[in-house]
This record gives sequence, structure tokens and C-alpha cells, in this order.
Amino acid sequence: GAVVSQHPSRVICKSGTSVKIECRSLDFQATTMFWYRQFPKKSLMLMATSNEGSKATYEQGVEKDKFLINHASLTLSTLTVTSAHPEDSSFYICSARGSGISYEQYFGPGTRLTVT
Amino acid sequence: KQEVTQIPAALSVPEGENLVLNCSFTDSAIYNLQWFRQDPGKGLTSLLLIQSSQREQTSGRLNASLDKSSGRSTLYIAASQPGDSATYLCAVYGDYTGANSKLTFGKGITLSVRP
Repeated sequence: GAVVSQHPSRVICKSGTSVKIECRSLDFQATTMFWYRQFPKKSLMLMATSNEGSKATYEQGVEKDKFLINHASLTLSTLTVTSAHPEDSSFYICSARGSGISYEQYFGPGTRLTVT
Repeated sequence: KQEVTQIPAALSVPEGENLVLNCSFTDSAIYNLQWFRQDPGKGLTSLLLIQSSQREQTSGRLNASLDKSSGRSTLYIAASQPGDSATYLCAVYGDYTGANSKLTFGKGITLSVRP
């Protein structure tokens, strides 16, 4: 199956700083990438959808100025958490989808963000 | 708004047992349905994808069925093993109009297979 990587896998940062998370599709071109957030014992919450070369579409309640998403190429999307606060601590997972008709999504291994 | 329900939230079975995980969704107008596995602290691994026109998909000891009209899917695991212990998530695509199709997830079923 298609492989999606995320970097870093874990990051600890101080309150007020910004953190960038990278998501890469390793063996296919991802026309669409998705960013999710997962709280303990909760389901995945879609934060935003991005198409290569376009602005991301954010879900209701997600602050676009706080969670900056860039999808500059068909294999790379980045999520930057700006001015992080402890309540931003969470597990962030990206997924990627190619242009096939099945619309199957492939998920990255996730990034554990801890804001102190 | 699409809602996906997985009950029970947790399940514990002895090794070797055949088991069925259930998933229900409120809007039957789906494009496809996926079953995922998630190990603690890890991302999601896609297990099976069923297109809306299909009734079932099989991979090894796993079989997933889809009854779109009743809004239900089941994941059948044959001869369960301790290595099957994980959280199993069901997700549906509720919008088949194009590029921004979205997956709606259930909360998952945490399975524990006892040796």
C-alpha cells in the first residue's frame, strides 16, 4: 500500500513557540491531504483539507491563523501550530489521497505534540 | 450530518475466537467505507475499503461487509490472535461529489485478545 510519513513523531515545545509538522507521501502523488487531531479515547477530528497549490479548507471551529497549512507540492504538506498553548497538546495525524477513483486515504504515523 | 457509531467501545475475547465488530452510519448516501486499525500511539492502518456498490471485501482473516441501505457494516475477524489487539475504526465517505470528500469516523472499538 501507499506510504505516508510524518516528521517529527514527537515534539515538546514551550508555550508561545511555533511548531511545524511535515507530512509526505513517499510513493504516490497526493492531490489532497488531510490533517486530523485525536484526543485520548476520542475519534479523529478533521481539522482541514488541502489540495496541492490551493488554500486549505478548514473545518468549523478550527482557527486558520493558529493552524497554518501549506500544501506546496504533490508530496508534501505542512501543519504549523503557531503560538502553541498547552491545550494544543494532542496527537496530530495527516493523511493523503491520490487521484484514483477509490478515494482511499492513507494515514501517516502521527505526531505527538506536547506544549509545556 | 453523518454520524458513525461503533458499539461496544471495548471488547475482550480469548485467543482463537471468531468475532464480529459492528459499525452503523446514519446517512446511507456514502461513496465508500473503510476499516482501519490503530495501535496505541500510532497512526492508522487501512484494513479494508468497500465501495458503495460492493457488498464485502476480504483480506486474509478479515472480512468486511456493507449493507448500505440499512447503514451497517461488520468486520469479521477469524481465529483471533493476541496480535489482533488494537483499536478498530470504521469510517465512511459521505460526500462523493469530488475532491473534498471527507471521512467521518466512529470512535472505534478497542479489542483485546487474551492468550
